[in-house]
This record gives sequence, structure tokens and C-alpha cells, in this order.
Amino acid sequence: AQSVSQHNHHVILSEAASLELGCNYSYGGTVNLFWYVQYPGQHLQLLLKYFSGDPLVKGIKGFEAEFIKSKFSFNLRKPSVQWSDTAEYFCAVNGYSTLTFGKGTMLLVSP
Amino acid sequence: DTEVTQTPKHLVMGMTNKKSLKCEQHMGHRAMYWYKQKAKKPPELMFVYSYEKLSINESVPSRFSPECPNSSLLNLHLHALQPEDSALYLCASSQFSGSAYNEQFFGPGTRLTVL
Repeated sequence: AQSVSQHNHHVILSEAASLELGCNYSYGGTVNLFWYVQYPGQHLQLLLKYFSGDPLVKGIKGFEAEFIKSKFSFNLRKPSVQWSDTAEYFCAVNGYSTLTFGKGTMLLVSP
Repeated sequence: DTEVTQTPKHLVMGMTNKKSLKCEQHMGHRAMYWYKQKAKKPPELMFVYSYEKLSINESVPSRFSPECPNSSLLNLHLHALQPEDSALYLCASSQFSGSAYNEQFFGPGTRLTVL
């Protein structure tokens, strides 16, 4: 069975601070990895995805993530956060047929 | 059109009511999904339809009854729900299921309150 672990449940940052959200997964085969964001009162949106190739993937709104196979990790980064990045962030893994989400990280960016 | 639409946006129902949630996509996707999301929690998979056939039922109580009338539509029929069923119900679609290359597109959800 596949599983996803997100290290931080709540993160509080000031504007312009750098962000790194941890995500580790467990699955024995080939996986595809995703980061979704859910802004307050809004639906899930895809930030970025990794299927294959360059392990450093760039997504929307200046986010990027690095897939490190040896560490089973897919951490999300942003060099400088904005107040508008306040949201819930979910890491997800798709091994074969179902998408498994981590518990989510609530990011609060103070102006 | 890269959108998944869901109606209604909000639904309040009593425990004896029968209601339905609707989901529609026009991306030609052949897999559609229902998820349940409680506040501050990740989405939990309920059902998967692949080529209009139910392929996964994650041990969901029978008071939730899914239906896929055609490749663009997905319904969730609700009957005799309990207050603990109150949640955000999300619909998603993808090109197909049963593959790792499976980016899912999510709708905005229906916020359900059971009184």
C-alpha cells in the first residue's frame, strides 16, 4: 500500500521568507507525485507534478519541488512567500490506481 | 474546457431526505471519482468509475449511492444520511484510471450539511 507523510501540520512565516514543506512517501513501485493547494474557501488546485525526467520540477506561482528517489521525498519550495500563499498544501502520490494524500500542511503567511 | 463542475455548491438536508450531488466534465476523461473531505483533513476516496463502470468502492456506507449515467456525468445519491456525513464532497476526473500517469482534476465541491 502507498502512504504519504507530511512533516509539518502548521507553518507560520513572514512575507519574503523562504518556504520548504517536507513530504515523504512509501510505495514499492513507480510513483507519480503531486502537490495540491487549497486556498481558503476554494477547491483543490494542482501546483506541480512529477512523472519522470528532471527531478526538479517547477510549478505555478513560483513553486518548485525536488524528487529525491533515494530519500523517498518530494519537498516543496518557494524562495519568497507572499501573503496570498496562505493556504493548505497537500502532497499526494499515485502508485497504480488511486491518489493518496498526505494530511496536509496549513501555511499562514503574515504580512 | 478544463473544468470539473459540481452542483449544488451548498446543500442542507435532514436525515430523512433524499438528495443528489452532480458532477460534470467535458475533457473526455474516462475516469471519475468521488472524495469526501472533512475540515482540516485531506480528501478521502469514496468511489472510482472507469469507463462508466464502478471500479473502486472504498467500503462506503450504502446510504451513499454513486451513478455514472455517461462518460461526462457522475452523480452521488444521498439517503438517510447522518450528521457525521457533513463534509465537502469533491468530484474529480482523469484521463483514465489504473495507471500511474493519472493527473486528477478537481471540482469546487459541494458543501453538505446534515441536520
